[in-house]
Amino acid sequence: RKEVEQDPGPFNVPEGATVAFNCTYSNSASQSFFWYRQDCRKEPKLLMSVYSSGNEDGRFTAQLNRASQYISLLIRDSKLSDSATYLCVVRLQTGANNLFFGTGTRLTVIP
Amino acid sequence: DAGVTQSPTHLIKTRGQQVTLRCSPKSGHDTVSWYQQALGQEPQFIFQYYEEEERQRGNFPDRFSGHQFPNYSSELNVNALLLGDSALYLCASSRDIGQGAGRNQPQHFGDGTRLSIL
Repeated sequence: RKEVEQDPGPFNVPEGATVAFNCTYSNSASQSFFWYRQDCRKEPKLLMSVYSSGNEDGRFTAQLNRASQYISLLIRDSKLSDSATYLCVVRLQTGANNLFFGTGTRLTVIP
Repeated sequence: DAGVTQSPTHLIKTRGQQVTLRCSPKSGHDTVSWYQQALGQEPQFIFQYYEEEERQRGNFPDRFSGHQFPNYSSELNVNALLLGDSALYLCASSRDIGQGAGRNQPQHFGDGTRLSIL
């Protein structure tokens, strides 16, 4: 079983739409949570960390539900530039700092 | 403030050859992790270096080895290359802030080295 599960999509939404991505993680000892975005053939770039109380950064809102081992990302007022693959990323509570990635959810924002 | 830098950008090798990839971490970062991302797949953790030692290793064979230098830069070496080693190799750096709560330090990725095996 994968450490992190995501719906691969694709999600095709019109400009201005609100879209939500979800992911689940299997290890209850997971400590840190992130959303990264990756453009085609580029490196992953940190979008935002995810905190237990939920956090917002402009049009992006991230939520964490530890009881359900569930993470979400909400994008409001989608822009064409939001088109990318969104990776749900988890770090286990171990001595090291390696990351486990979901397979990513592909988003295409349509004009 | 330079981010994570990797070299070379692209590399073409043949089966059985050996390759060395290089990474310089972001300023202020002391931990370097390496990931392999095959086409259409998510990144997979290879290993992590801290204080010039391999701190943790993923599910990769011994053909994959690495090194970290006193200036925190790192190398990834792959011996006896196979066709399946073709991938984007990503280096990520972070700052280790020790054990305990609040270790929510994200990793920052370099542009990657695209390795093609013929």
